[in-house]
Amino acid sequence: GQSLEQPSEVTAVEGAIVQINCTYQTSGFYGLSWYQQHDGGAPTFLSYNGLDGLEETGRFSSFLSRSDSYGYLLLQELQMKDSASYFCAVSSGYSTLTFGKGTMLLVSP
Amino acid sequence: NAGVMQNPRHLVRRRGQEARLRCSPMKGHSHVYWYRQLPEEGLKFMVYLQKENIIDESGMPKERFSAEFPKEGPSILRIQQVVRGDSAAYFCASSPEPGTNEQYFGPGTRLTVT
Repeated sequence: GQSLEQPSEVTAVEGAIVQINCTYQTSGFYGLSWYQQHDGGAPTFLSYNGLDGLEETGRFSSFLSRSDSYGYLLLQELQMKDSASYFCAVSSGYSTLTFGKGTMLLVSP
Repeated sequence: NAGVMQNPRHLVRRRGQEARLRCSPMKGHSHVYWYRQLPEEGLKFMVYLQKENIIDESGMPKERFSAEFPKEGPSILRIQQVVRGDSAAYFCASSPEPGTNEQYFGPGTRLTVT
């Protein structure tokens, strides 16, 4: 089976940098994805890491270490609109995703 | 290009009734996934379908739940004889091909069982 661990809540101020960690245990692993969800709405894809290293997409970056079963999402220049829940998800064949319980990010002025 | 569409957005059913949730994938997408989300929880995979085929239903309860994705029309998630524990948000996602981790999600259907 699969299990993912991520912090339940993170707080930060506008303009700051925040890192959301994710550790996973899985019987099969193809990659680690990150999704954003505002107020229970449609989750939105942010990034994907299939190989070790850092992927950068604008203000967001994601990192993966397969040997450590660990990844993180890095959000820079935080804005109020970044307040949302962030989910890491592992894929293990057939494109099925197993999601973590999510990290609620609260950005304050 | 319209996104993934789900209807109804909100559905209220009494215990014992049937619930039918519909999902129209993005244009050009032939892979559909259903997830369930409880409050303060992540999304739990239920079933993965391609047109006219169920590829993986390992996350779907064996009883009362079924899913289909016919050649024509939307994908349907059907819950028979609903119970209060079925109350949740049900999300549908689609992708243009398998093996991609970028899934496009619909707005979800909030099912409330009274």
